[in-house]
Amino acid sequence: QKEVEQDPGPLSVPEGAIVSLNCTYSNSAFQYFMWYRQYSRKGPELLMYTYSSGNKEDGRFTAQVDKSSKYISLFIRDSQPSDSATYLCAMVLYSSASKIIFGSGTRLSIRP
Amino acid sequence: DAGVTQSPTHLIKTRGQQVTLRCSPKSGHDTVSWYQQALGQGPQFIFQYYEEEERQRGNFPDRFSGHQFPNYSSELNVNALLLGDSALYLCASSFFRDPVYEQYFGPGTRLTVT
Repeated sequence: QKEVEQDPGPLSVPEGAIVSLNCTYSNSAFQYFMWYRQYSRKGPELLMYTYSSGNKEDGRFTAQVDKSSKYISLFIRDSQPSDSATYLCAMVLYSSASKIIFGSGTRLSIRP
Repeated sequence: DAGVTQSPTHLIKTRGQQVTLRCSPKSGHDTVSWYQQALGQGPQFIFQYYEEEERQRGNFPDRFSGHQFPNYSSELNVNALLLGDSALYLCASSFFRDPVYEQYFGPGTRLTVT
């Protein structure tokens, strides 16, 4: 069983829709959770990180963590064609740890 | 301010050969990590260098080795290449912004082993 599970998609939605991306994890020791966006032929770009259960909002993006269920989500409001990319969830065991465990990524396409 | 840079962009090698990939971290960053990303997969941690020493290592064989120079740039070396080593190799430089390390990735080097 992988430590982090993520639906690979692809996920295709119309422009303006709300997008929900999800990951589950098996190790309850994970403390910090991140979402990266990766465009084709580029390296991953950090979108958001959070370390407590609950919601964290940044513009059109909201990250949600439910530690009791070992489940994290990223919501994108008012989705734009420029949001089309692969989204990777990621997590670390403790704050000073630099080894990031990534999910396999969900490929998202926003239709104009 | 230049971000993380990697060279070369693409590389084709033959099974059994050796390869060296290079990374220059973002200005002000002293820590470099290397990741391997197979097609359709998330990046997998290879190792991390800080103060010219390997600080942490993932589940990769000894064929994978690295080095960090005094200017914080880094090299990844892979010996005795296998077909399964074909992947995108990502370098990430980081600094500690309480409470986490923020890692910034380069564009990667695409390695093809034939």
